[in-house]
Formats: sequence, C-alpha cells, structure tokens
Amino acid sequence: LAKTTQPISMDSYEGQEVNITCSHNNIATNDYITWYQQFPSQGPRFIIQGYKTKVTNEVASLFIPADRKSSTLSLPRVSLSDTAVYYCLLGSNDYKLSFGAGTTVTVRA
Amino acid sequence: GAGVSQTPSNKVTEKGKYVELRCDPISGHTALYWYRQSLGQGPEFLIYFQGTGAADDSGLPNDRFFAVRPEGSVSTLKIQRTERGDSAVYLCASSFSGARSDTQYFGPGTRLTVL
Repeated sequence: LAKTTQPISMDSYEGQEVNITCSHNNIATNDYITWYQQFPSQGPRFIIQGYKTKVTNEVASLFIPADRKSSTLSLPRVSLSDTAVYYCLLGSNDYKLSFGAGTTVTVRA
Repeated sequence: GAGVSQTPSNKVTEKGKYVELRCDPISGHTALYWYRQSLGQGPEFLIYFQGTGAADDSGLPNDRFFAVRPEGSVSTLKIQRTERGDSAVYLCASSFSGARSDTQYFGPGTRLTVL
C-alpha cells in the first residue's frame, strides 16, 4: 500500500485555520485521498475524500495539487472540540483502510 | 439512526483466558470490518465480512483470533489464550456494500486489557 507522511502534531488556537499537509510521493493513478478524524475513546470518523483539485464540505476543505504527491486538509476557524487525531489515507479498490500514526491537533483557548 | 455499537466498552482479562467482543453494525450494512488499534498508532485491519462470510481475514495476527457473523448482522471477535500483547482497542466498522467508495462507519471500540 502506498505510504503517507504527515506531521506528528500541530498546535493551534480557537478561531484559527489549521492546515495539515500529507505527503504521498508514490500515489498510484487510481488512488483517492481520504481523511479521517478520531476523538479520544471514539472510532475514526470520515471527514472528506478527493481525487484531485479541491473538495469542500461542511467540515473541511481538501486541496490536492496537480501532481497529487501531497494533499492539505484545511479546517476553518477551529474550536476546542476540533482537538483530535487526523489521519490521511490512500485507497483505490481496497476496502482495507490503511492508517498511519496520524497528526494530533491540539486546539487551545 | 443508530450507529455501530460495540460491547463491552472495556474488558479486563487475565493472560490465557478466552474473550469475546461483540459488534452491532448499522442496520442494512452488508460489509463489516474489524480493526485493532494500539496506543499511539492508527487502526490496523484484521478481517472483513461481506454478509455472513469472511471475505478477507488476512489481518488476523494468528490462529488465536477468530471472528464470526452467522446471520450477516452482529459479529463476534473471539480471542483464545489471550496474551498481554493482545491489549489494544478493537474497533468495528460497517459500510453499506463494501464497495471502495463506501464510507466505513466506526464504533467506539472495545478496550481490551490483558493482565
């Protein structure tokens, strides 16, 4: 499975925009990019998925450059409740989700 | 509607004992998955059910681990002769059909502690 690299942790403050970049230099043509969020004592929750360019939903935006070797999850105006671990995953025709260690985002007041 | 539920939420057992972990998927979801998450790591795939059958059990670490889904709904993960290294959070997820485009919905997990 293609590997992803993302920062171990990030700190932010309430009201700021948080951008988490995930590197995936060996992404395959048929891979799509998915982000999950996990709060303590809960299972991961799907946030957003994309293949190229930009995807936006009510929770976040996902920016994917033309070469698709990286992607950036953008969380607008974070609040304390956005403190969580965020995982970047690649997938194609595989139902097996492959999680890395994720990025721990801590939002402070 | 209700999400994925897992019972118990916590299980403490002694080395060598047998444990069963239960998963209730979202109603109508034919695909069910088990993952294991160790402290500080992301979840790791264990097994995937499509209906009643295990379509892929390649993630099960050894033959002490077994899972069933006899009626295509509830699933039970069974661990024999537990070892301290089995301590982890066991997560269950379900999706509508198992297609790659389907979102997997996770339960809260069962935290297993083997003393």
